[in-house]
Amino acid sequence: NAGVTQTPKFQVLKTGQSMTLQCAQDMNHEYMSWYRQDPGMGLRLIHYSVGAGITDQGEVPNGYNVSRSTTEDFPLRLLSAAPSQTSVYFCASGTEQPQHFGDGTRLSIL
Amino acid sequence: GENVEQHPSTLSVQEGDSAVIKCTYSDSASNYFPWYKQELGKRPQLIIDIRSNVGEKKDQRIAVTLNKTAKHFSLHITETQPEDSAVYFCVTGGGNKLTFGTGTQLKVEL
Repeated sequence: NAGVTQTPKFQVLKTGQSMTLQCAQDMNHEYMSWYRQDPGMGLRLIHYSVGAGITDQGEVPNGYNVSRSTTEDFPLRLLSAAPSQTSVYFCASGTEQPQHFGDGTRLSIL
Repeated sequence: GENVEQHPSTLSVQEGDSAVIKCTYSDSASNYFPWYKQELGKRPQLIIDIRSNVGEKKDQRIAVTLNKTAKHFSLHITETQPEDSAVYFCVTGGGNKLTFGTGTQLKVEL
């Protein structure tokens, strides 16, 4: 099993650009989620999904969209990148809660 | 929403000593309390968790205690080793959402 795979590992964007962070898991987990981690802080929940076709907002959803068309994939879309979205993004999956994290995507917005 | 406070923010111990990290939470509906370890530049990794119907759980050198009445829980690491150096996050869970504390930087000195 590969576990939770995130791509890309690093990305630099200009303000206003859009992009999609990819997340895939091969453990057949129903629960998937996206977190952001800023320096000196814990992880904050952006969006989560409890199964294909079902998504919901977390603590900091503004500026991000998600969809869950399959059990395996849960992409995160930045609609119009802003410097405040510079962060490390983690995807996680689990049976009920996020127990397995990916390696993260380091995103810089200039 | 849920508020999780974690103390101390930094902790330095001598190898072989014990380390204790304490957390308080606000939402009485929280029923899942995992702890994550995050090494520098790496993903958070689940090290132990406890559910609300259990007061204490132990796994080798790691133990967690939970006091639901007082809304606080703690992580205890005994016989600390240099590889225990990392950031530790306490987390509360209710439903499908997890709320992270701000983390404790543990440094185990030789």
